[in-house]
Amino acid sequence: QSALTQPASVSGSPGQSITISCTGTSSDVGGYDYVSWYQHHPGKAPKLIIYEVNDRPSGVPDRFFGSKSGNTASLTISGLQAEDEADYYCSSFTTRSSWVFGGGTKVTVL
Amino acid sequence: EVQLVESGGGLVQPGGSLRLSCAASGFTFSDYWMHWVRQAPGKGLVWVSRMNIDGSTTNYADSVKGRFTISRNNAKNTLYLQLNSLRAEDTAIYYCARCKNWECFDLWGQGALVTVSS
Repeated sequence: QSALTQPASVSGSPGQSITISCTGTSSDVGGYDYVSWYQHHPGKAPKLIIYEVNDRPSGVPDRFFGSKSGNTASLTISGLQAEDEADYYCSSFTTRSSWVFGGGTKVTVL
Repeated sequence: EVQLVESGGGLVQPGGSLRLSCAASGFTFSDYWMHWVRQAPGKGLVWVSRMNIDGSTTNYADSVKGRFTISRNNAKNTLYLQLNSLRAEDTAIYYCARCKNWECFDLWGQGALVTVSS
């Protein structure tokens, strides 16, 4: 199972909005609405911020928004803040009853 | 406190074996599918394996199939991963994580480091 494709890095200034894409195939992202996004600060446990494409766990601010079109899912962070600087990963359930992650995107707040 | 705590990591020679444990507390362990995810040094997250709530269903990534075995003991609130025939490329931090009703993965442990080297 090949990893989902994410940009290696995305940057933005405080207050701006950024969008991270996550491209898969019809066997994963395109085939299910089971796409999740995680925020990972190095040395800490990853944190779930979006599940089922666009649902937020309790406590996650609505600055984080998920969407999907065809084989590509997206995470938009609006009102970028310094604490948003982290690695972000998407994941999807697959037709092989497995999960696949994206390669990760490093978000830098300028 | 709701948490997952991994243990059992360490240094092992190529071809060797290791068993990781993941102790759950603060929630009803038997309500959740449980997963293992790993991260090699400087690399991204990679899904490894999953097990359903009663242990009757398991799935593995192709890269570990036939070498790793996932199991659980709901009475002890513990998830396991038996790692056999280890290779250098299995060197990684291994995380356990839970999943329920497709809210995956909403809780992760801090990880256990496995280093495969001679």
